[in-house]
Amino acid sequence: EIVLTQSPGTLSLSPGERATLSCRASQRVNFSYLAWYQQKPGQAPRLLIYGASNRATGIPDRFSGSGSGTDFTLTINRLEPEDFAMYYCQQYGSSRTFGQGTKVEIK
Amino acid sequence: QITLKESGPTVVKLTQTLTLTCTFSGFSLSTSGVGVGWIRQPPGKALEWLAIIYWDDDKRYSPSVESRLTITKDSSKDQVVLTMTNMDPVDTATYYCAYTRAAAPVRPFDPWGQGTLVTVSS
Repeated sequence: EIVLTQSPGTLSLSPGERATLSCRASQRVNFSYLAWYQQKPGQAPRLLIYGASNRATGIPDRFSGSGSGTDFTLTINRLEPEDFAMYYCQQYGSSRTFGQGTKVEIK
Repeated sequence: QITLKESGPTVVKLTQTLTLTCTFSGFSLSTSGVGVGWIRQPPGKALEWLAIIYWDDDKRYSPSVESRLTITKDSSKDQVVLTMTNMDPVDTATYYCAYTRAAAPVRPFDPWGQGTLVTVSS
């Protein structure tokens, strides 16, 4: 089973700043089948990125994903107030697993 | 438009079996490549994938709970059912179902249902 490790656990930033979130896999993720989700309290997760770098429908272009193999990054440029939330990575190339999440909080 | 909705008991007792139903619309689980998965999230904790069933009745389970899970589908009713045996308070969580694809094209979970909170009482 592929284990995903997200870092940092918490990111304290101000609106307008850039957020850089990391997701490291214990094994190579097949075909870069790596997704990123945003989750706000009381809500279901929302797909942001799939295939490591493809934005899902309706996702603003300040969200971008990159990486391959075992190292992946989600970047949020110019944080908006609505971007402060939990973020999870998930691989779907070999069964399915989620990372433990990164909380982006207001500094 | 694809939608999914989970239903089932809000409270189950220690050692009981949990049965959850995912009722969906906007797609057919008879279509090649399509799948429905279950994911749970204990309060304040991370997401945990549980199981997936595909259009061809292929089933995959998380190794950590595989012995306790059964996933089935009723394509005529547009439903997927998850059963989990021997429930324990640590299984208290919000349970989600979600649409996915295994082929043409491969896609992660999207969209998700609203989730249903299940509490296990001792």
